[in-house]
Amino acid sequence: QVQLVESGGGLVKPGGSLRLSCAASGFTFSDYYMSWIRQAPGKGLEWVSYISSSSSYTNYADSVKGRFTISRDNAKNSLYLQMNSLRAEDTAVYYCARLDSSGLDYWGQGTLVTVSS
Amino acid sequence: DIQLTQSPSFLSASVGDRVTITCRASQGISSYLAWYQQKPGKAPKLLIYAASTLQSGVPSRFSGSGSGTEFTLTISSLQPEDFATYYCQQLNSYPTWTFGQGTKVEIK
Repeated sequence: QVQLVESGGGLVKPGGSLRLSCAASGFTFSDYYMSWIRQAPGKGLEWVSYISSSSSYTNYADSVKGRFTISRDNAKNSLYLQMNSLRAEDTAVYYCARLDSSGLDYWGQGTLVTVSS
Repeated sequence: DIQLTQSPSFLSASVGDRVTITCRASQGISSYLAWYQQKPGKAPKLLIYAASTLQSGVPSRFSGSGSGTEFTLTISSLQPEDFATYYCQQLNSYPTWTFGQGTKVEIK
């Protein structure tokens, strides 16, 4: 069965960095685009970034452009999100999700990132 | 950027009720709309894609309709497990996508 497991969240000071990982299993990872979506406490969903199956294409929400970098390692079935220059407003649960032509059809359980001094 | 506005933001209903949630797009998105259900502390779950196609395993009491700028999610007979927050998402403006602000369905 399809599984996505995020890790790497935690408490970080403003201006700091963090790298999130998402381990995928149960499907041919290299066939799918992948995405990161976040949800601030008590708020709605915000799409953050996506990456094509071969890493050829990436895109970012304006709120994270220039600070976050998405990448993947198809040999390791893993997706990453490098987050730099973190701000308080980046505090959220970060989900990785598989992007199918239908939408985001599988999601991980999420990892909490807290940016606070 | 395409904006999605859901209405209502909050809905109180009873088991067995028919429930309709609307999602309006700021510009036409054809049928590139998905609906998700999220329960507290859990990841969202894809319910409907392409505006009206039910994702595999989703109960048939859920249905979606619409195209262009106006879309609806209907639950024909609300069940206890349906109390959750529902989000629409547009996938028309590749490669950026947006979500609606959510509609929370609570027990009356």
